[in-house]
Amino acid sequence: KNEVEQSPQNLTAQEGEFITINCSYSVGISALHWLQQHPGGGIVSLFMLSSGKKKHGRLIATINIQEKHSSLHITASHPRDSAVYICAVPPPGGADGLTFGKGTHLIIQP
Amino acid sequence: DAMVIQNPRYQVTQFGKPVTLSCSQTLNHNVMYWYQQKSSQAPKLLFHYYDKDFNNEADTPDNFQSRRPNTSFCFLDIRSPGLGDAAMYLCATSMALSEQFFGPGTRLTVL
Repeated sequence: KNEVEQSPQNLTAQEGEFITINCSYSVGISALHWLQQHPGGGIVSLFMLSSGKKKHGRLIATINIQEKHSSLHITASHPRDSAVYICAVPPPGGADGLTFGKGTHLIIQP
Repeated sequence: DAMVIQNPRYQVTQFGKPVTLSCSQTLNHNVMYWYQQKSSQAPKLLFHYYDKDFNNEADTPDNFQSRRPNTSFCFLDIRSPGLGDAAMYLCATSMALSEQFFGPGTRLTVL
């Protein structure tokens, strides 16, 4: 089973700040997922990446496969970015299904 | 819009009374998943279907069963809910080894 560690667990920042959330995992994978969960439960997939870097709007995700580490960055953060951000990886061997990290609870204050 | 739909959004049942949660999708994805998320915890995969092939996680209790009668629908059956089964149940779909699309979840309360 893949162990997924996220840091920080909680993060409070001011509007406009640059945000970084980190994720590390124990077993090599083919791809890593970043997801967003708002209060009330809905989960939205932000990125699925297997190498390098992806950008979508103010969100940037990077991954270093050799170091088993990924980061999610938010530029020019806004209160609407407040949510739980979750890193998730497939099981060893590349089967379907995800193992989730515990998530980073982000609060952006105006 | 193509989407993943879960019904009901909120379900209240009594201890030991069987309950069925429903998930449907219009994305025509071949993989459907059920996750359990307890309060303040990460979602945990219960099982998934790859087409009609059922894949159970080793630590999923026997109390939890699933059916997938066709590509669009998948059901989660809890045969005898206990207080510890109170949680948010999330359905997701994907093509194989691809991005997952989640439904809004069903929040189950066990009295």
